[in-house]
Amino acid sequence: QVQLQESGPGLVKPSETLSLTCTVSGGSISSYYWSWIRQPAGKGLEWIGRIYTSGSTNYNPSLKSRVTMSVDTSKNQFSLKLSSVTAADTAVYYCAREESSSDYNWFDPWGQGTLVTVSS
Amino acid sequence: DIQMTQSPSSLSASVGDRVTITCRASQSISSYLNWYQQKPGKAPKLLIYAASSLQSGVPSRFSGSGSGTDFTLTISSLQPEDFATYYCQQSYSPSGTFGGGTKVEIK
Repeated sequence: QVQLQESGPGLVKPSETLSLTCTVSGGSISSYYWSWIRQPAGKGLEWIGRIYTSGSTNYNPSLKSRVTMSVDTSKNQFSLKLSSVTAADTAVYYCAREESSSDYNWFDPWGQGTLVTVSS
Repeated sequence: DIQMTQSPSSLSASVGDRVTITCRASQSISSYLNWYQQKPGKAPKLLIYAASSLQSGVPSRFSGSGSGTDFTLTISSLQPEDFATYYCQQSYSPSGTFGGGTKVEIK
């Protein structure tokens, strides 16, 4: 079955850019939407944005000015960049596939998550 | 943006209890509502999609209902492995907002 794995630095300095990659295994990345979702410690889930394998994107309006997503179908990977980070961006970051059927969609499966801490 | 409000934020229950969690949307979202279960240190796991469709492999004691603005997740007979935090999520709008979560604890 499809599995997702996040990778990237666990520590980022304030004002710098957070960069994460999600590697998809057990299936093709093609013809799906792929999302990033984050969760600060002890708090709820926040959708960051999605990318289709064509490269089209949707971003959370609250983060849109700082978010860039990209996809590399040859490597079965997609990536997240979040610029000008602050301590408020400290969270576990998850990647997830967006499944759909009959106009409904949902997140499944999810990666295991990776903790990114913003600190000097 | 669509706001999702879950209640209660936490509850205590015993094994075998029937548990109901409520999720309310700030505007009508038809049946564009999903439920997830999250255990400590783990990623969320899909339980229910499109308000009432049970994800493959999820035990039948989990069920979802509702449409419009009011939704419920019901666990018919709580099992030890069901102690977790549950989140609703709307997929009506592109931002896919989540509820604040309901933590189900052991009484």
